Amino acid sequence: DQQVKQNSPSLSVQEGRISILNCDYTNSMFDYFLWYKKYPAEGPTFLISISSIKDKNEDGRFTVFLNKSAKHLSLHIVPSQPGDSAVYFCAASAPGNTPLVFGKGTRLSVIA
Amino acid sequence: GAVVSQHPSRVICKSGTSVKIECRSLDFQATTMFWYRQFPKQSLMLMATSNEGSKATYEQGVEKDKFLINHASLTLSTLTVTSAHPEDSSFYICSAVVPKRYGYTFGSGTRLTVV
Repeated sequence: DQQVKQNSPSLSVQEGRISILNCDYTNSMFDYFLWYKKYPAEGPTFLISISSIKDKNEDGRFTVFLNKSAKHLSLHIVPSQPGDSAVYFCAASAPGNTPLVFGKGTRLSVIA
Repeated sequence: GAVVSQHPSRVICKSGTSVKIECRSLDFQATTMFWYRQFPKQSLMLMATSNEGSKATYEQGVEKDKFLINHASLTLSTLTVTSAHPEDSSFYICSAVVPKRYGYTFGSGTRLTVV
């Protein structure tokens, strides 16, 4: 049973436009959500996170939105750049030293 | 800060042999380390949670006798794949919780190929 779902396996966006990556979760115990960027044969690189007490967190070109009632979060990248092309993973954790639960990832391709 | 060094980055081994993967926290003490495995085009799947000084907790379906985890110190956790088979070929990644800062840091991963 997948607790974190990324239903779009891939997304293609033109350079300069907005990229929106979506993530849904089912476990209401999750209180911390993160987005990672990953290249093949490398570990995930942390991008941005959000606590369940917030509904928005912004860091430069990256903004994460959290809708707790819908159990949905999204990552907005604007403007998108070719260097953003990678696989993006949504992850969630419950309180305490609990492991992250990952979605299956969305491959973002930013076309110049 | 909060770096986890993972070695080796790539290893090729013969079927039946054992391979050890190390993860070291370089500038913090990692009381808890998570081990993940990623198959091609799949998510990172949690294999086990290791706590310093105690036995690891394995996820359902992960053979504890095959994937030996040792977390003998606050800065080192190891995963040993014993009697490796080609189906064990995967990408293995460790992750640590960084104390006093609610965050996770990841190793760079190990690509294991069993031939």
